[in-house]
Amino acid sequence: RKEVEQDPGPFNVPEGATVAFNCTYSNSASQSFFWYRQDCRKEPKLLMSVYSSGNEDGRFTAQLNRASQYISLLIRDSKLSDSATYLCVVNTNTNAGKSTFGDGTTLTVKP
Amino acid sequence: DAGVTQSPTHLIKTRGQHVTLRCSPISGHKSVSWYQQVLGQGPQFIFQYYEKEERGRGNFPDRFSARQFPNYSSELNVNALLLGDSALYLCASSPRSGGAYTQYFGPGTRLTVL
Repeated sequence: RKEVEQDPGPFNVPEGATVAFNCTYSNSASQSFFWYRQDCRKEPKLLMSVYSSGNEDGRFTAQLNRASQYISLLIRDSKLSDSATYLCVVNTNTNAGKSTFGDGTTLTVKP
Repeated sequence: DAGVTQSPTHLIKTRGQHVTLRCSPISGHKSVSWYQQVLGQGPQFIFQYYEKEERGRGNFPDRFSARQFPNYSSELNVNALLLGDSALYLCASSPRSGGAYTQYFGPGTRLTVL
């Protein structure tokens, strides 16, 4: 079993739709959580950190459930430019600089 | 400010050869991590260096080695290349060691082994 597992996808949605991605992690010592976005053949870029209280950045909302070891990302009012692969990332602070990535979920937003 | 830079951008090698990949972190960042990303998968951790010392190593064979220089730039070396080493190699920098710090990725080096 992988340490970080994501919805396999792909997700194909129309513009304006709301889409949710899920991620589970197995290491209960995990302390820091992130969502990264990766465009085709490009490097991953930080989308948002995920906090225990949940956090929102415009159309994007991230939630963390430590008890269930579960992270989610909600995208509202999808835009064509949201088409990308979304990577769930988990860090244990004791493993300095090591991030464990999920394999990503691919989103395609269609007109 | 310049982001993380990597060189070369693309590289083609044959089996058995060795390769050296280079990374310059964001100015002021002292931590550099290396990742391998095979097509269709997420990045896999290879090494992390902080203040020129190895702080972490992933599940990769000894053919993979790295080092960090006094100016915090880093090199990743891979010996005796195998076809399976074909991947995008990503370098990430962060201000300090510790999982709470955001990592910033360079554009990667795309290695093809024939």
